[in-house]
This record gives sequence, structure tokens and C-alpha cells, in this order.
Amino acid sequence: GQNIDQPTEMTATEGAIVQINCTYQTSGFNGLFWYQQHAGEAPTFLSYNVLDGLEEKGRFSSFLSRSKGYSYLLLKELQMKDSASYLCAADNQGGKLIFGQGTELSVKP
Amino acid sequence: DAGVTQSPTHLIKTRGQQVTLRCSPKSGHDTVSWYQQALGQGPQFIFQYYEEEERQRGNFPDRFSGHQFPNYSSELNVNALLLGDSALYLCASSPSGTGFGYGYTFGSGTRLTVV
Repeated sequence: GQNIDQPTEMTATEGAIVQINCTYQTSGFNGLFWYQQHAGEAPTFLSYNVLDGLEEKGRFSSFLSRSKGYSYLLLKELQMKDSASYLCAADNQGGKLIFGQGTELSVKP
Repeated sequence: DAGVTQSPTHLIKTRGQQVTLRCSPKSGHDTVSWYQQALGQGPQFIFQYYEEEERQRGNFPDRFSGHQFPNYSSELNVNALLLGDSALYLCASSPSGTGFGYGYTFGSGTRLTVV
């Protein structure tokens, strides 16, 4: 079967670091995406990993382990505007993305 | 450079009716994918169109159909609407040459409410 698991909710403090985990199981795999989605808006691209390791982009980093079917998104120096839903998605094959249910992150002052 | 444009932004329909949603892809993109996102859930893949043909399809009934036009724009049609079809419908476009998933750009979606 195909399955993407991520926590439903997380809370963190402004200025802190938060790690959002994602495990996946898919019949095909062409990479792992992270998207940010504010309520009522379109998902926006954050990161893409296809090889094992860490990809860093400013305050955001993403890690992938293909052998473990595991990824995480790391957000540093949290800001209030980072409060949003974070979606983990596996590229199953040819651009068909399998999404997790999303992790609702609340950043508190 | 315009991104992905979807219309309408909001729509209310009655059970049993039919609805058509529209999507114009980002300039330079030739592949269009449609997703359904229920409240509090992640998007679910409906189907993908490339070269005016359905290239891939997710686990959705035949009530969901689509079309792609020569200018790469696309329509999603849903017949015999059910209350459970209420959701945000997202269109994503991508350029075929870069690996479909990587170049995804999402539109802002159409919020469909079935009453």
C-alpha cells in the first residue's frame, strides 16, 4: 500500500527550532517534497529531496533517508508567520504526489 | 509572469448537480494535475493531463472527468454531486521536461460546497 504519516499538530515558541517528521511507504519513489499551506491558500513549495542527506535553504532544512522511508523538515528561528500546515508528499511516479494529512504548526509568542 | 489561475474561487452547488472547474497553467507548463483537499486533510490526486490525454488517475470514481485543451488549460468536471465532494480543488501545473513533480506550481484552488 501507499502511506504517508506525519503528526497532526505541533506547537512551538517564537525563535525556537522545530522538527516535523514524516514517514512514507510508496510503490514507487521519485523524491520527497515539503509544502507550506496557510489556511485557504495554495500549497507553496519548500523543499525537494531525492538523494539521502540534508538540504538547507535559509531557515528551512529537509532531510531524507530512503532506506528508512523517513524525512524531516527543520524550521529554525521560528516566526509567527510560520504558523501554517506543513505537507509531506512523496512523488510516487511521474509527478503523482502522495500527500500526508499535514502537520498544523502553531507558533506562540 | 502569471502563475496557475483557477476559476471560480468559490462555488455552491446542490446534490445531484454537475460542476465544471477551470485551470490555466503557468506559462511554459504543459502538464496539469488535479487534487481534492478535504478540510483538515492533505490533497488527494485525482488525475493528470498531458498532451490532451489523461496520463494518470487516482482512486476517484468515473463521476470525475477532465479535459485538456491545445493551449494546455484544463477542466475538471464532476457529475451527480455528493455532499462528500465538498472540498478545495487544487490544480497544479508543471513542465514535462524537468520531472513532473519537481516543477509543480499550485493554483489557489476552487472551494466547492455541495448542499
